[in-house]
Amino acid sequence: AQSVTQLGSHVSVSEGALVLLRCNYSSSVPPYLFWYVQYPNQGLQLLLKYTSAATLVKGINGFEAEFKKSETSFHLTKPSAHMSDAAEYFCAVSEPQKTSYDKVIFGPGTSLSVIP
Amino acid sequence: DAGVTQSPTHLIKTRGQHVTLRCSPISGHKSVSWYQQVLGQGPQFIFQYYEKEERGRGNFPDRFSARQFPNYSSELNVNALLLGDSALYLCASSLHRGPNTGELFFGEGSRLTVL
Repeated sequence: AQSVTQLGSHVSVSEGALVLLRCNYSSSVPPYLFWYVQYPNQGLQLLLKYTSAATLVKGINGFEAEFKKSETSFHLTKPSAHMSDAAEYFCAVSEPQKTSYDKVIFGPGTSLSVIP
Repeated sequence: DAGVTQSPTHLIKTRGQHVTLRCSPISGHKSVSWYQQVLGQGPQFIFQYYEKEERGRGNFPDRFSARQFPNYSSELNVNALLLGDSALYLCASSLHRGPNTGELFFGEGSRLTVL
């Protein structure tokens, strides 16, 4: 069964420092992978997605993620953190070859704090 | 263009009661999914509806039900509420049933508190 793990429920970085949020997945078929962001009291917003094209995916707000099949990882990075990046980040996976509907499995989330 | 809208935004119920949550998808989107997000956890898939039919269901009891209307809006119903049903209920819309692109557009959710 597909699943997602996110190492570190809370991550703190200084403003201007590198952001690295870790995600590992398990899937029996080539997956689609996603990062979603959730700001306080809001719904989720798609940051970026991997759908079997380029392994390095660029998203909104300067975020990018790299798909590494050998490591079953899809870590999210941003070179320089901004105060506005403070939010909850969810890694997610779907299996387009196995289900005909939009079933997306989310990880437990990582809360990012940015210190001035 | 309006995004996904959900109502009510907050509500409080007591154990054993029933609740109905409503969702309007983005214009042109024919698919609606429901997710439950318990505090401190990631969203859990409950249902997907496409063209008024249930296309997928997560591991939730029969107390949870939903339907989709001809205008593609949707209702989530939960009967016999339990304390553990307290959560943020998220509605997401997408363009079509498949392939399973997983690109979902979420509303801001309905926060249910069960006392």
